[in-house]
Amino acid sequence: DIQMTQSPSSLSASVGDRVTITCRASQGISNFLAWFQQKPGKAPKSLIYAASRLQSGVPSKFSGSGSGTDFTLTISSLQPEDFATYYCQQYYNYPWTFGQGTKVEIK
Amino acid sequence: QVQLVQSGSELKKPGASVKVSCRASGYSFSAMNWVRQAPGQGLEWMGWINSNTGNPTYAQGFTGRFVFSVDTPVSTAYLQITSLKAEDTAVYYCYVPPVGGGYWGQGTLVTVSS
Repeated sequence: DIQMTQSPSSLSASVGDRVTITCRASQGISNFLAWFQQKPGKAPKSLIYAASRLQSGVPSKFSGSGSGTDFTLTISSLQPEDFATYYCQQYYNYPWTFGQGTKVEIK
Repeated sequence: QVQLVQSGSELKKPGASVKVSCRASGYSFSAMNWVRQAPGQGLEWMGWINSNTGNPTYAQGFTGRFVFSVDTPVSTAYLQITSLKAEDTAVYYCYVPPVGGGYWGQGTLVTVSS
């Protein structure tokens, strides 16, 4: 199975900060990577697919990059509604696997 | 507007069965994934079903007691879990693959307790 490792596991940031989360795959996955946002008690929300493509309706403050084994999710200017847990997922081969999550908290 | 609407919370005793439904509106899905989230834990991919062929694929750890099915005319996917155990207590999500739009159901809490 492909292991997905996110870093950091948690971070504290202020409103307006630029935040970057990293996701590393244990083997190459081309660009078959998605990012999700999950708020407490809510279903995950899809943000990005194919490593860098925004899902419909997702604001452009979110961006993704990377290919192969190393990927990043960047939030350009953190807003109160962005405090949540973020997950990456590879869908290159089965079983699809998620990272362990990165919790973004208010500083 | 695309929506995936799941059935409501369930409280079951150990050894019982449960069937969770996921109805799609405004969308004709060709594949449906299922994801488990145990209390306080991360997301775990359970597998998926091809709605055109009805062929399911299960992740390791979700074989035997877990069954995916689909009723295409009513745009509904199902997850059945048999011989429930306490460790099956979790929120179960249906989820359309990323390239298909990445839509998620609202989740169904299944609680297994005597």
